[in-house]
Amino acid sequence: SQQGEEDPQALSIQEGENATMNCSYKTSINNLQWYRQNSGRGLVHLILIRSNEREKHSGRLRVTLDTSKKSSSLLITASRAADTASYFCATEANQAGTALIFGKGTTLSVSS
Amino acid sequence: KAGVTQTPRYLIKTRGQQVTLSCSPISGHRSVSWYQQTPGQGLQFLFEYFSETQRNKGNFPGRFSGRQFSNSRSEMNVSTLELGDSALYLCASSWQGSAGNTIYFGEGSWLTVV
Repeated sequence: SQQGEEDPQALSIQEGENATMNCSYKTSINNLQWYRQNSGRGLVHLILIRSNEREKHSGRLRVTLDTSKKSSSLLITASRAADTASYFCATEANQAGTALIFGKGTTLSVSS
Repeated sequence: KAGVTQTPRYLIKTRGQQVTLSCSPISGHRSVSWYQQTPGQGLQFLFEYFSETQRNKGNFPGRFSGRQFSNSRSEMNVSTLELGDSALYLCASSWQGSAGNTIYFGEGSWLTVV
């Protein structure tokens, strides 16, 4: 079952613009992770934000987490054509072990 | 440091056959988990192994099984293949497999069932 729901499902922007993707989830979480997937490839880990954190930065990425609203956002600033990919949020529930629950993803297209 | 390695990358099987996929985690990682990705269902958790023991299991039929060896390498097996098993199968590894560990994915194994 899907835990996270990304919004929008698809996003098309020009190089240099910012891209914002949102993710909502349903249950309590330990942390939330964002991944990128280029067409037909594996998942690349972008950033992990813990449930007690509100904002995290990594290079051109900024992630926010609002546990009261059960939502997170991923902002990619100054986007490049190479950012074209699908982006997924994944949550890790309060349980032992590792079982990520993914949303359906946002497909980002950056044109030059 | 080598990443998560999955073999084979591509394979085609016939309905009713069985398939085994292999995964070598990042050196030092003890947790290995498997995911299935399809256009219709998205990314779904299959199971996780830690120190050769299955620790978590997703909602998949018993035709899907796995195991982990003492060197942390893992295999997953799908028996009596169905057309709906066509998917990208992703393996992921993490150091402890506990909450908060970064989870790294391999490039996946593309399975086509005809």
